[in-house]
Amino acid sequence: GENVEQHPSTLSVQEGDSAVIKCTYSDSASNYFPWYKQELGKRPQLIIDIRSNVGEKKDQRIAVTLNKTAKHFSLHITETQPEDSAVYFCAASKHKIIFGKGTRLHILP
Amino acid sequence: DTEVTQTPKHLVMGMTNKKSLKCEQHMGHRAMYWYKQKAKKPPELMFVYSYEKLSINESVPSRFSPECPNSSLLNLHLHALQPEDSALYLCASSQGPDQPQHFGDGTRLSIL
Repeated sequence: GENVEQHPSTLSVQEGDSAVIKCTYSDSASNYFPWYKQELGKRPQLIIDIRSNVGEKKDQRIAVTLNKTAKHFSLHITETQPEDSAVYFCAASKHKIIFGKGTRLHILP
Repeated sequence: DTEVTQTPKHLVMGMTNKKSLKCEQHMGHRAMYWYKQKAKKPPELMFVYSYEKLSINESVPSRFSPECPNSSLLNLHLHALQPEDSALYLCASSQGPDQPQHFGDGTRLSIL
């Protein structure tokens, strides 16, 4: 079955700097890659997603890149703000979503 | 506003009790999901319903019994749970497989 690896498990960045979270997946048939943000005690919220026929997608300060050949995908957050502090989960899907283990992002003042 | 509504928000039950978790969505989504999430872990898929039919059961113990009475509702019936079943139970819905999933706020379940 699908296996999704996510790194790093914890990331601290200075407010205003960029944050990058990287994931790899094992099943080349996976065709949908969502990213979720989960604040403490809250539900996971979809922040961006990308499909296997697209290499890059951007939404304001958030961008995702996908390298199908290498089975890598990454989340980039620019100009980080305190409200970006949360746990971020990458995921890969072929009919069902498999989540990575999560990255706890701390934005330092 | 949360588009997927789950009740109750919290539930404490003994190992011999029977209870049900409820989930409702009015977005016209045809796929609904149950996930289990332990602290500091990702959501773990339990069941998938597609067009009101169970399409995926991730080898979940029979003490968890899902039900989809109609396209807007999803229930999870609980019976004879174990302490290790204590977790946050999340419901989600989507237009179909490999489509954005919208999560509810979850039911925090504690088994005594």
